Amino acid sequence: QQQVKQSPQSLIVQKGGISIINCAYENTAFDYFPWYQQFPGKGPALLIAIRPDVSEKKEGRFTISFNKSAKQFSLHIMDSQPGDSATYFCAASKRASGSRLTFGEGTQLTVNP
Amino acid sequence: GAGVSQSPSNKVTEKGKDVELRCDPISGHTALYWYRQSLGQGLEFLIYFQGNSAPDKSGLPSDRFSAERTGGSVSTLTIQRTQQEDSAVYLCASSLMDSVFFGPGTRLTVL
Repeated sequence: QQQVKQSPQSLIVQKGGISIINCAYENTAFDYFPWYQQFPGKGPALLIAIRPDVSEKKEGRFTISFNKSAKQFSLHIMDSQPGDSATYFCAASKRASGSRLTFGEGTQLTVNP
Repeated sequence: GAGVSQSPSNKVTEKGKDVELRCDPISGHTALYWYRQSLGQGLEFLIYFQGNSAPDKSGLPSDRFSAERTGGSVSTLTIQRTQQEDSAVYLCASSLMDSVFFGPGTRLTVL
């Protein structure tokens, strides 16, 4: 059972553009939603996270938008840069059962110069 | 740096051999996780340790896989009688509260 669905699988954006990656979840018990960035040969790095009591969280060029009623959340990367080229994973967890994360399938982002 | 460390970084073994992968979590983190990432794929949960509680082993794919965590710190993931389908990157992570931090992974290749 795929509890977190992520789209698109791959995304190509021009430098300076906006990158948008979407995720949808099924389990309404999820209450923590992080995004991870992974470069080739490296482990995933925590990028930004949100809890369902807010609809948006912004850190620098990265913004999470959260829609609790639709069970969807998305990552927006403003002013995308070639250095942002990486694989991005959304995830979800139920804090009551620890932070065991269920991951989306990942999105490979390429930002062209 | 005080991040999660894993060893070895790469391991090549022959089918049928046993392997041990080591994880040193961030000091003070009570939770420790093992995930597996096959080439170009997402992250598959394997096992979760939280403090002194019984580990959540629900993600282990077969009884050839086992893990232990000694003294609430270092963890070892053991794969017995390795198969070619075990080839993947094995990622360890630790957390204290919500934020989960990953190590660099061990790339396992089974020939």
